[in-house]
Amino acid sequence: DAKTTQPTSMDCAEGRAANLPCNHSTISGNEYVYWYRQIHSQGPQYIIHGLKNNETNEMASLIITEDRKSSTLILPHATLRDTAVYYCIVRVRAGANNLFFGTGTRLTVIP
Amino acid sequence: GAVVSQHPSWVICKSGTSVKIECRSLDFQATTMFWYRQFPKQSLMLMATSNEGSKATYEQGVEKDKFLINHASLTLSTLTVTSAHPEDSSFYICSATGGDERLFFGSGTQLSVL
Repeated sequence: DAKTTQPTSMDCAEGRAANLPCNHSTISGNEYVYWYRQIHSQGPQYIIHGLKNNETNEMASLIITEDRKSSTLILPHATLRDTAVYYCIVRVRAGANNLFFGTGTRLTVIP
Repeated sequence: GAVVSQHPSWVICKSGTSVKIECRSLDFQATTMFWYRQFPKQSLMLMATSNEGSKATYEQGVEKDKFLINHASLTLSTLTVTSAHPEDSSFYICSATGGDERLFFGSGTQLSVL
């Protein structure tokens, strides 16, 4: 699976949009971009995934660049409960494959 | 959404004893389950992959005789840490997939070996 690069940490004011970038310049044509987050001492939580098109669900939006070498996860109105480590992962869309977790971005939402 | 239940949430044991951690998929059949461990302020590291009815595949450096994995049914996988020692203290997490593109994770088990 392709390697991803994320900033180590970010801060965001409560109520503002949190934009978390991810670089995946070696992504293959059949690899999807997944985002998970892990709140302290809990298991990772699925947020969203996409291939080429931008995606939106009740939790977040995913913006993927046209060349697919980078993407941005957007939390439109960050709350204190969104404080977590956010992992950007690229993998082939095959359920039996593992997810490789990099170091992720530690997002701190500030009151 | 799909739910993966992991039990216990935390366990404290004496050195030399064995500890069993259960991972259950509650509303789907998990053809594949993964076991991870995570040290403080570090990312998840894959330990092994288990498919229902077959032997687990362990990652390099993970002792199969120490970390026994059983995936006897499509809804249950267990990880047994045998003869636990303080260096085995860690956060253990399971995940499961039913074959679609998403992995669902358990809530994790904090193991402390005294």
